[in-house]
Amino acid sequence: GQNIDQPTEMTATEGAIVQINCTYQTSGFNGLFWYQQHAGEAPTFLSYNVLDGLEEKGRFSSFLSRSKGYSYLLLKELQMKDSASYLCAVMDSNYQLIWGAGTKLIIKP
Amino acid sequence: GAVVSQHPSRVICKSGTSVKIECRSLDFQATTMFWYRQFPKQSLMLMATSNEGSKATYEQGVEKDKFLINHASLTLSTLTVTSAHPEDSSFYICSAREGDTYNEQFFGPGTRLTVL
Repeated sequence: GQNIDQPTEMTATEGAIVQINCTYQTSGFNGLFWYQQHAGEAPTFLSYNVLDGLEEKGRFSSFLSRSKGYSYLLLKELQMKDSASYLCAVMDSNYQLIWGAGTKLIIKP
Repeated sequence: GAVVSQHPSRVICKSGTSVKIECRSLDFQATTMFWYRQFPKQSLMLMATSNEGSKATYEQGVEKDKFLINHASLTLSTLTVTSAHPEDSSFYICSAREGDTYNEQFFGPGTRLTVL
């Protein structure tokens, strides 16, 4: 079966760095997405990785290792507004997005 | 980025009634639209995929006669929850994609449905 695993919840301090991991097992791979979702709102796109390596975009970076079925989202200089759920999603061979359950990130002052 | 709107944002209805949710792509042509459902503290669950002008493809376990999807134009898709029951109460989110399968999905703001 297809499976996306990510931690349920993480806590970090304002100004610090946090890494949210995602491992996946899917039928085929056409890219991995990270989305941010605030409570009661729809997800917003953060990043897309299809090749191995690190993609940096401001305070957020995303890493992919296809051989390991592994990705992480790195958030630097954390701000209170970064408190949200972070969803990992993999596009499989049928171009369907397979979603992880999301990681709730709690930022403390 | 591209904008997707959803209407209504919140709806409360009585059990047994039908509710229609609209999803519109405002500044691009959405060849494919997706309908998701999300229960509290759970991930997005894909309900169906619709391509403009053709019948929607429903995921396993989703009743197509209960959740009617129409994608009549490149900018509008509708989801009708027929004979709604309290267990249908959920957050319904649409997303839209332009062009080929590699393109990013843009999400609407979601519709909170409460069935009394």
